[in-house]
Amino acid sequence: GAVVSQHPSRVICKSGTSVKIECRSLDFQATTMFWYRQFPKQSLMLMATSNEGSKATYEQGVEKDKFLINHASLTLSTLTVTSAHPEDSSFYICSARGSGRNTGELFFGEGSRLTVL
Amino acid sequence: RKEVEQDPGPFNVPEGATVAFNCTYSNSASQSFFWYRQDCRKEPKLLMSVYSSGNEDGRFTAQLNRASQYISLLIRDSKLSDSATYLCVVNRWDDYKLSFGAGTTVTVRA
Repeated sequence: GAVVSQHPSRVICKSGTSVKIECRSLDFQATTMFWYRQFPKQSLMLMATSNEGSKATYEQGVEKDKFLINHASLTLSTLTVTSAHPEDSSFYICSARGSGRNTGELFFGEGSRLTVL
Repeated sequence: RKEVEQDPGPFNVPEGATVAFNCTYSNSASQSFFWYRQDCRKEPKLLMSVYSSGNEDGRFTAQLNRASQYISLLIRDSKLSDSATYLCVVNRWDDYKLSFGAGTTVTVRA
């Protein structure tokens, strides 16, 4: 089946630094990828929709200048948390869906746990 | 009001028991419904889709009630390995974005 790989799985950084998280679809082309954030005991919150070759669409309340998304190819999307602060510490998960809007199943990456000191 | 609401639980049940829980959704235009399973600190994985006529997959049965806008999941003959958080997921047809519930935690004890 489809596999989505996310890297790194865990990152600890100092406040003020930037962190890049990669999301790759390994055996299918993902025209659309989604980035979620999950705080403990809360649901996944969609941050943005990443479309290959175009600008990402951000959800209300998500700062596009802070969470930079690049989807330069059909198999790779990146999320960069710029000038990270402790409140950005969270579990970030990407998901990917191939072409066609009828499918509802998303394939999730393994997630990246970010801790900002 | 949240788009998708779930009873957070936890539901603590003995092995072999039956456990059931619901999820309500607010958008009547929702078209597709799913149950995902999430283990602690792991990514969600699709458990099953929910069809209008209801569907069963082994020990798991899902039901959809459009009139009352809820879906349900029933687990029969619970196993220890069923311990997880079950996420209710709703897909809006107009923009195919998924909305997630906060999850219902199930703990099966020996």
